[in-house]
Amino acid sequence: GAVVSQHPSRVICKSGTSVKIECRSLDFQATTMFWYRQFPKQSLMLMATSNEGSKATYEQGVEKDKFLINHASLTLSTLTVTSAHPEDSSFYICSAFNGQGTNGYTFGSGTRLTVV
Amino acid sequence: AQKITQTQPGMFVQEKEAVTLDCTYDTSDQSYGLFWYKQPSSGEMIFLIYQGSYDEQNATEGRYSLNFQKARKSANLVISASQLGDSAMYFCAMRELYNFNKFYFGSGTKLNVKP
Repeated sequence: GAVVSQHPSRVICKSGTSVKIECRSLDFQATTMFWYRQFPKQSLMLMATSNEGSKATYEQGVEKDKFLINHASLTLSTLTVTSAHPEDSSFYICSAFNGQGTNGYTFGSGTRLTVV
Repeated sequence: AQKITQTQPGMFVQEKEAVTLDCTYDTSDQSYGLFWYKQPSSGEMIFLIYQGSYDEQNATEGRYSLNFQKARKSANLVISASQLGDSAMYFCAMRELYNFNKFYFGSGTKLNVKP
């Protein structure tokens, strides 16, 4: 089955530093990848949609300069949280779409970011 | 208005019994898809079951079935013969044809299976 690898699974960083999270589709080419944010005990909120080779489309209220998304290849998308602050602490999860079928979406295992 | 509503923040069920998790949705689109995902404490989102708006039969996947009532705009998940490993958060989600890539997620239901 389709597998999406997300790395790292947990990261702790100091306030003011940047953190990069990777999302890789291991056995399929992902035409589109999605980044979600999830606060404790809450639902997933879509942050942005990225298509390979083009600029990401950000949801309303998401700062594109703070959450940099790069989808450089059909198997890799990265989310960089720039100048992280404690309020950026959250669970970030990616999803990749293989372009086929009604359920061609696979989620990564998520990254728990803690900014201290 | 909320696109997806899950009114049960938490549910308890006895092991081996069946449980129904409620989900209602709001859309004016004629073509849409409904999904249920399981999220254990480790965080990954596990796909459980899918129902298309034009599917006449209720979807089933092993112990999971989706009670789709289109007129009432409800898509309840039924888990039969609950197991301890079913304890997790469960999210209902919808995708509309006109905005094919965007998922709307409900607020989730925390299911606890008691031995």
